Amino acid sequence: AQTVTQSQPEMSVQEAETVTLSCTYDTSESDYYLFWYKQPPSRQMILVIRQEAYKQQNATENRFSVNFQKAAKSFSLKISDSQLGDAAMYFCAYRSAISSGSARQLTFGSGTQLTVLP
Amino acid sequence: GAVVSQHPSRVICKSGTSVKIECRSLDFQATTMFWYRQFPKQSLMLMATSNEGSKATYEQGVEKDKFLINHASLTLSTLTVTSAHPEDSSFYICSASARTHQPQHFGDGTRLSIL
Repeated sequence: AQTVTQSQPEMSVQEAETVTLSCTYDTSESDYYLFWYKQPPSRQMILVIRQEAYKQQNATENRFSVNFQKAAKSFSLKISDSQLGDAAMYFCAYRSAISSGSARQLTFGSGTQLTVLP
Repeated sequence: GAVVSQHPSRVICKSGTSVKIECRSLDFQATTMFWYRQFPKQSLMLMATSNEGSKATYEQGVEKDKFLINHASLTLSTLTVTSAHPEDSSFYICSASARTHQPQHFGDGTRLSIL
């Protein structure tokens, strides 16, 4: 079974600064997907960024980028130029690349609560 | 695109009541949907995988007679919490993806409070 670990329950960053959220995972599979989801106080789950394991290039989405280290099973999220609206709970998630129904489930880490200080 | 609608967003009811929560994919078909439960300040825990036209697959420790799941069409899955009790109070959220390798999109969740 896959596991996802987020070792930082809480993080804070000054507005306009950069912060990195850590995530490690454990799997025996070679092909999979990794995600970062954001959950603001409204509790909506918002997809921030996605990485395919077969791609060596790190994914980027505007101010959000990842550092994907497949051998180390590490998948950190970097938020640049932090904004007040970035404050939320951030979840790292793993999904197998196997196409069968139940294998498409997401396995979530425990989350990191990010506070952005004005 | 890829919008998932969940209804209702908030339910408050008495102990012993059965509550139905709907999860709809509005602009795509989903053969598989997922139901999660989330306690305050905790992560999402998968309850079950809902499969269109067949029985749901429940995670270990989830009572299938307590949490009934019906996936009658390619755009609708329902979760019924039967004879709800205060310990069933939680945030329930569903997700679905349009295709096998597409990211999952989530409904807005249902906050269930049993008095």
